[in-house]
Amino acid sequence: DAKTTQPPSMDCAEGRAANLPCNHSTISGNEYVYWYRQIHSQGPQYIIHGLKNNETNEMASLIITEDRKSSTLILPHATLRDTAVYYCIVRVDTGTASKLTFGTGTRLQVTL
Amino acid sequence: NAGVTQTPKFRVLKTGQSMTLLCAQDMNHEYMYWYRQDPGMGLRLIHYSVGEGTTAKGEVPDGYNVSRLKKQNFLLGLESAAPSQTSVYFCASSYIPGLSYEQYFGPGTRLTVT
Repeated sequence: DAKTTQPPSMDCAEGRAANLPCNHSTISGNEYVYWYRQIHSQGPQYIIHGLKNNETNEMASLIITEDRKSSTLILPHATLRDTAVYYCIVRVDTGTASKLTFGTGTRLQVTL
Repeated sequence: NAGVTQTPKFRVLKTGQSMTLLCAQDMNHEYMYWYRQDPGMGLRLIHYSVGEGTTAKGEVPDGYNVSRLKKQNFLLGLESAAPSQTSVYFCASSYIPGLSYEQYFGPGTRLTVT
């Protein structure tokens, strides 16, 4: 799976949009971009994933650049409960089990 | 649905003792996983299972054994615990890849080996 690079930490004011970047310059054509988050002391939680097109669900939006070398997770209206470590993961959906490689992620602190 | 549950939540072992961590899921998922997470690091895969009766090694399998006798349960065993196995252990499950690769995680087991 391709390697990802994320900033170690970010701050965001409550109610504002949180934009979390991820670089994956070695991504292959069949690799998906996944985002998970881990709130303190809890198990990771799936947020969203995509291949080429931008994706949106009830939690967030995922913007993938046209060359697919980077992506941005957008939390449109951050709340204090969004304070967590956010992991960007690139992997292939091959139809067989493979691991999710969690890096060190971005620690997002949402403040009042 | 309870989702993914883990037993116990906390445990302290002495070096050389053995124990089994239990993971249960009620979502009829085929795939199950055991990860460990150490301070300042991401999750690392220990073992995984693609179905009842099957298991496979992950990234850091040494010192652990697993069994998947029932589809809903995935057991992680430590035969002779070592201080290096002090960690937080997470279990996860997922549908068959290709349909969705969202992994559902349990709340974790905090293990300390003294």
